[in-house]
Amino acid sequence: DIQMTQSPASLSASLGETVSIECLASEDIYSYLAWYQQKPGKSPQLLIYAANRLQEGVPSRFSGSGSGTQYSLKISGMQPEDEGDYFCLQGSKFPPTFGGGTKLELK
Amino acid sequence: EVQLQQSGPELQRPGASVKLSCKASGYTFTEYYMYWVKQRPKQSPQLIGRIDPEDGSTDYVEKFKNKATLTADTSSNTAYMQLSSLTSEDTATYFCARNHLFDYWGQGVMVTVSS
Repeated sequence: DIQMTQSPASLSASLGETVSIECLASEDIYSYLAWYQQKPGKSPQLLIYAANRLQEGVPSRFSGSGSGTQYSLKISGMQPEDEGDYFCLQGSKFPPTFGGGTKLELK
Repeated sequence: EVQLQQSGPELQRPGASVKLSCKASGYTFTEYYMYWVKQRPKQSPQLIGRIDPEDGSTDYVEKFKNKATLTADTSSNTAYMQLSSLTSEDTATYFCARNHLFDYWGQGVMVTVSS
């Protein structure tokens, strides 16, 4: 299975600060990479797919980039509602595998 | 509006089996794979497997091959996952999610295995 190494495990950001979360794949995943946000007690919500495509309805402060084995999610201007857990997911090969997650808190 | 409505929380004894449901609405059920995911507290999700509702074909993650059985009923637009021989390790929240993008998720169902 493809391993997804996500960093950092936790992050604290001030209001308006730009935040970045990284995912490193154990092999080339050809931009088959998605990012999700999960609030406590809720199901994950798709933010970004195909590495850099914004899901409909997601604020434009969220963006994704990367290729090959290295990918990142950027939040340009932290907002209170951005607190939560973030996961990456590779969809290049079955089974899809998730990163270990990043807990993002407002400082 | 796409919705995936999952069944309610379950409390089961060790060794029992449980069948969870995921009723789809707002789209053509047979056009998208349904995935099932396990998430334990404070852990990232892990895939269990997927089913193609059109023909019932399934793919499982190796570690869940003897644990989960996925089925789908196209007459009711409902996907099912049966978990067998439950142990405390099966205590988790289980989600269904649509297609390889996981673009829509059910609300999740908490399964607790306890004697």
